[in-house]
Amino acid sequence: QSVLTQPPSASGTPGQRVTISCSGSRSSIGANHVNWYQQLPGTAPKLLIYGDNQRPSGVPDRFSGSKSGTSASLAISGLQSEDEADYYCAAWDDSLNGAVFGGGTQLTVL
Amino acid sequence: EVQLLESGGDLVQPGESLRLSCAASGFTFSSYAMSWVRQAPGKGLEWVSAIGGSGDITYYAESVKGRFTISRDNSKNTLSLQMNSLRAEDTAVYYCAKATVVSGRSTRSDYWGQGTLVTVSS
Repeated sequence: QSVLTQPPSASGTPGQRVTISCSGSRSSIGANHVNWYQQLPGTAPKLLIYGDNQRPSGVPDRFSGSKSGTSASLAISGLQSEDEADYYCAAWDDSLNGAVFGGGTQLTVL
Repeated sequence: EVQLLESGGDLVQPGESLRLSCAASGFTFSSYAMSWVRQAPGKGLEWVSAIGGSGDITYYAESVKGRFTISRDNSKNTLSLQMNSLRAEDTAVYYCAKATVVSGRSTRSDYWGQGTLVTVSS
């Protein structure tokens, strides 16, 4: 069981907006930045959002992140077929003195 | 161009040891923390260990503490993971990842290797 909780699956149709949640604790999300990763099938993870809501260069502005208290969210607007992937949130946990990942959310574009 | 190339993955029996390496290039290796993240077949990502840029501070997941040792050779731009007393549940693809800061207390990794498969089975 992961320290950060994500829904196992999410789905949407092309053009829709979908949101993926990530729930943590005061010692993880409540105390540290959240980063989001996208993992396409058979590939290594790719940094999608860092510092709660910042996009690395090259990441479309359709992707956005937010955080409130001990929870964070990833939003994808204008959903496209190439967005079909697994998405993971990650944060440092001060109590564990280690990094923690969410269990991952498999996004399906219908 | 930043490149991370893992090696050392293999099929081993429970209780045996294995050493993974990650050859880094394209950046000032000693200026960034590095980490190992694994992914069991069909499962999610699991953080394993991290090490600061100078190599003096290390962090471990509870699941590997006391069995795995992370280290780095900044003169050779190489990250290593010594894995002892391997268990079936250690079976996974192991990725090395570059942090964006020198401190190991970070989950922001901007570059990842392609991964190396470790299989622990009798």
